[in-house]
Order: sequence, then structure tokens, then C-alpha cells
Amino acid sequence: KAGVTQTPRYLIKTRGQQVTLSCSPISGHRSVSWYQQTPGQGLQFLFEYFSETQRNKGNFPGRFSGRQFSNSRSEMNVSTLELGDSALYLCASSLELLGGTGELFFGEGSRLTVL
Amino acid sequence: GENVEQHPSTLSVQEGDSAVIKCTYSDSASNYFPWYKQELGKRPQLIIDIRSNVGEKKDQRIAVTLNKTAKHFSLHITETQPEDSAVYFCAATPSNDYKLSFGAGTTVTVRA
Repeated sequence: KAGVTQTPRYLIKTRGQQVTLSCSPISGHRSVSWYQQTPGQGLQFLFEYFSETQRNKGNFPGRFSGRQFSNSRSEMNVSTLELGDSALYLCASSLELLGGTGELFFGEGSRLTVL
Repeated sequence: GENVEQHPSTLSVQEGDSAVIKCTYSDSASNYFPWYKQELGKRPQLIIDIRSNVGEKKDQRIAVTLNKTAKHFSLHITETQPEDSAVYFCAATPSNDYKLSFGAGTTVTVRA
């Protein structure tokens, strides 16, 4: 069975631009969650989507947004990019809602560099 | 919300020795505690998890213990091998919250 796929894998943007990242979950998984990974900060929860609904959101500014489509694919968008947004963005899919005890299956991530 | 603290941030051990990573959590409603391993350049993968109704769980050379009263849980790796070198993340999730809070990670280096 195919794993979690994230696109693009690498991208470079300049301050003020916006970016859209895509995540295709494992077939049958309805939960997709997003994380920002930076050195020393670990994995910071951005938000989770289940059945096209955002179930929870982490402590990130409104510039970070997302959505989920009926086929469970998810996108996240960051507007007005700042230098501090440079990070590896990971998405993960699971059968269950977060808060359950389902294993998360991570994608390889999208590495964003903001210049 | 849940706050997870993880220590140490780096850990260097001699091959064959044991490694212990400790995490504390703040929300007493948390009931699920997974551990993820991320090798260099790879995606995080679940290695073991424990639920709040269990005090200890083992899987070959790794074990996790949970102390609900003190609100801390630990990962134990015995007979460490070079392939254990990775970043390890603990996490906690309350049953009433659709969120998984991760610790900052521990970089484990196993010296040959």
C-alpha cells in the first residue's frame, strides 16, 4: 500500500510570498495532521483534519491555514512568508482522530526555505 | 493544552550500553503516549506506545514505563546498537483533545 506522499519535497520562497503544500494520505485514512519541524523545537502541531473538518489547531498565526478534500488529500497554505517559517513541514495520516490511539504515518516532508 | 518536556536533548552512549529518555506531561487527562524514532533524513516512525491503563510495555530491546501519578514516562533502550542512532520524540494526547503534543526530541548517538 502506498505511503503518505508530500509535494513538493523542496521549495525556496522569498519573504512575503505564499506557499501551498500538499499531502496525500494512505488510502482509507481520514485523518491528516500537519507539523512544523525545526532544529531544537521538535514537532510543532499545526492542525488536524478529519472528514474535511478541522478538528484542532496549534498555536500558529492565522497565516497558516489548511483544508482537506473529500478524497482525504490535504493542503496547507502559508501566506506572507517570514524567514522564521523556514522548516520541514511534515504531514501524517492515521485511521483515527488524534486523541485516539492510532499510529501516525508520516510523509517525508516538504522542506521550505524562505529567503 | 498539553505541554510535553523531554530530557536529555542529546545522549551519547557506548554500543551495548543502555539509553534512557524521560518525558513529563502536564495534562492529567492524557491517556496515550507514543514514541517516534526519526533516523537522519527519514520520516518519523512509531516504535512503541503505551496507554494510561498500563505501567510498562516491552518490545525486544525497547521498553516504555509510565508513572501517571508523577506524570512522566520514559523510553529505555537496552544493548544499544549503531542503528539505534536517531532522534527520538515522545508525545502525549489527552482523550478529549484532537491534538498530539510532542517533546522537543532527543538525539541519540551510539558510539562503536
